[in-house]
Amino acid sequence: AQSVAQPEDQVNVAEGNPLTVKCTYSVSGNPYLFWYVQYPNRGLQFLLKYITGDNLVKGSYGFEAEFNKSQTSFHLKKPSALVSDSALYFCAVRDPRNWGNAGNMLTFGGGTRLMVKP
Amino acid sequence: EAQVTQNPRYLITVTGKKLTVTCSQNMNHEYMSWYRQDPGLGLRQIYYSMNVEVTDKGDVPEGYKVSRKEKRNFPLILESPSPNQTSLYFCASSLTAIRTWEGRAVRPGRSTEAFFGQGTRLTVV
Repeated sequence: AQSVAQPEDQVNVAEGNPLTVKCTYSVSGNPYLFWYVQYPNRGLQFLLKYITGDNLVKGSYGFEAEFNKSQTSFHLKKPSALVSDSALYFCAVRDPRNWGNAGNMLTFGGGTRLMVKP
Repeated sequence: EAQVTQNPRYLITVTGKKLTVTCSQNMNHEYMSWYRQDPGLGLRQIYYSMNVEVTDKGDVPEGYKVSRKEKRNFPLILESPSPNQTSLYFCASSLTAIRTWEGRAVRPGRSTEAFFGQGTRLTVV
């Protein structure tokens, strides 16, 4: 079964500093990996995904993530945090080798709250 | 504009009173699903649908029903809500990553991100 771990419930960063939100995964095959962001009173918004190719993927709002197969990680990063980046971030995985729902379903981590202080 | 629309956004109800949360998508997606979000648990899948008239249980289906009579709509039904169903609910849709036809898997296809509705915050008292 596939699983995702986000080891930090909350990450605190000062505005202008780099940020990292950690994610590790477990799947039987090559994973499809996603990051979503949830702003207060809003739905989940897609940030970026890794399917294949370059291990460093760039997404919305200046975020990027690095796929590391040996460490089974997909950490979310941003060079310079903004106060407006404060939100709840979810990492998710899909294992496309599975049939039916297992290949289509997203398995989410528990979420990491990012707090960026001025 | 491509979107997934849920209604209502907020709902307070009493134990045992049947309710329906609607979900509609305008992207012609085959795959739709319902998740509930609880603190520290992330999102857990309740039910999913691979296409019209094809639905099945996710990880936490107890106390819920769904239907998929049309491709665009995927309502979530709580026949007799209980306080432990107080949660934030999300509907999602996406193109089907894996297609099956008569029990045989067709080659793995595209993988797109899922589109989520804005959520329904349900409180059962």
